[in-house]
Amino acid sequence: QVQLIQSGAEVKKPGAPLKVSCKASAYTFTNYGMHWVRQAPGQRLEWMGRINTGNGNTEYSQKMQGRVTITRDTSASTVYMELSSLKSEDTAVYYCARESLSSSGLVMDVWGQGTKLTVS
Amino acid sequence: QSALTQPPSASGSPGQSVTISCTGTSSDIGAYNYVSWYQQNPGKAPKLMIYDVTERPSGVPDRFSGSKSGNTASLTVSGLQAEDEADYYCSSYAGSYNLVFGGGTKLTVL
Repeated sequence: QVQLIQSGAEVKKPGAPLKVSCKASAYTFTNYGMHWVRQAPGQRLEWMGRINTGNGNTEYSQKMQGRVTITRDTSASTVYMELSSLKSEDTAVYYCARESLSSSGLVMDVWGQGTKLTVS
Repeated sequence: QSALTQPPSASGSPGQSVTISCTGTSSDIGAYNYVSWYQQNPGKAPKLMIYDVTERPSGVPDRFSGSKSGNTASLTVSGLQAEDEADYYCSSYAGSYNLVFGGGTKLTVL
């Protein structure tokens, strides 16, 4: 079945960079956009950005612009999310999520299992 | 962009109906018919329950329904079941590739 498998939990020091991977399987990778969403402990979901896996075009939230970079490797059906200059406030679970083809409104129909980041 | 406002909690007995509201602005919910609802169980990833205000993905029970009026969207769960107990988050497209989420509502089945 359709799956998104993310890389494992990370512990980072403030100022360090982060790179998380998200490997897709059981569907045509380049037909679906991919989003990144994070959730700090006990907090709401926060949309970070998305990538058009076909042409590599990206869009980022205003808050994350300049600190987050989303890339993809089509040969590996994998999307990457890099976050620079980590702060304690970046402690969160990071999710990749596939963009639904049924809507034009940034809807996410399949989610990865999440990658827990601790910045300390 | 501002976040959407949801009540922190809601509850109902098995078999009853419960409605969760999600209030935004004329720049997000009021401007687009792109409201989604996600169900999240503790320690798990969110699951899409409703998209484009009223649409249900395949596999989601028809006990879940969505609606919108002005700047407020709503999720109604009819015939509550114990398995419906979870956190529910609304989201709305806010233009120019921006997506905003609500703060989440914890649904308790009494």
